[in-house]
Amino acid sequence: EIVLTQSPATLSLSPGERATLSCRASQSVTNYLAWYQQKPGQAPRLLIYDASNRATGIPARFSGSGSGTDFTLTISSLEPEDFAVYYCQQRSNWPLTFGGGTKVEIK
Amino acid sequence: QVQLQESGPGLVKPSETLSLTCAVSGYSISSGYYWGWIRQPPGKGLEWIGSIYHSGGPSYNPSLKNRVTISVDTSKNQFSLRLSSVTAADTAVYYCVRSRFVDYWGQGTLVTVSS
Repeated sequence: EIVLTQSPATLSLSPGERATLSCRASQSVTNYLAWYQQKPGQAPRLLIYDASNRATGIPARFSGSGSGTDFTLTISSLEPEDFAVYYCQQRSNWPLTFGGGTKVEIK
Repeated sequence: QVQLQESGPGLVKPSETLSLTCAVSGYSISSGYYWGWIRQPPGKGLEWIGSIYHSGGPSYNPSLKNRVTISVDTSKNQFSLRLSSVTAADTAVYYCVRSRFVDYWGQGTLVTVSS
């Protein structure tokens, strides 16, 4: 099973600041990595797939990068609605696995 | 617009079987994609349960493999989850989902395991 480790667990930032979230895989997932955003009481929403492709309707301030074992989600300038929990997920190998999440909170 | 809707009991007794169904609208299951289930215990992260391709066999999380069954009914355009021998650790919000990178989610249904 591929283990995904997200860091940091919590990121305290102010609106307008840049957020950088990390996801590290225990073995290579090539580029088969996605990022999701989840707000309280809601289902997660797909932001990025195949490491760097924005899903339909996702604003350009969200970007993904990386390959192999190290991946980054960057939010260039935080909007109030971006404060949420973010998860990475791989589909390179069964079982599909998720990282433990990074909470982006208002400083 | 693709929509997924879970249905099933919100309360299940320990040792019994949890059964959920996901009705899909706006897309025919038999046209493609993997269809699956993900769960989220209260206050915790996401756990993939299993997926099934529209014309193939299922893949399950090994941590649940002996207890889980996912099946598809293309005539009703729905798919189902059965999880046997449940315990309190199976209490979670259960989501039905489309694809291995999930582009569509159900709203989620809370299933509580309690006597």
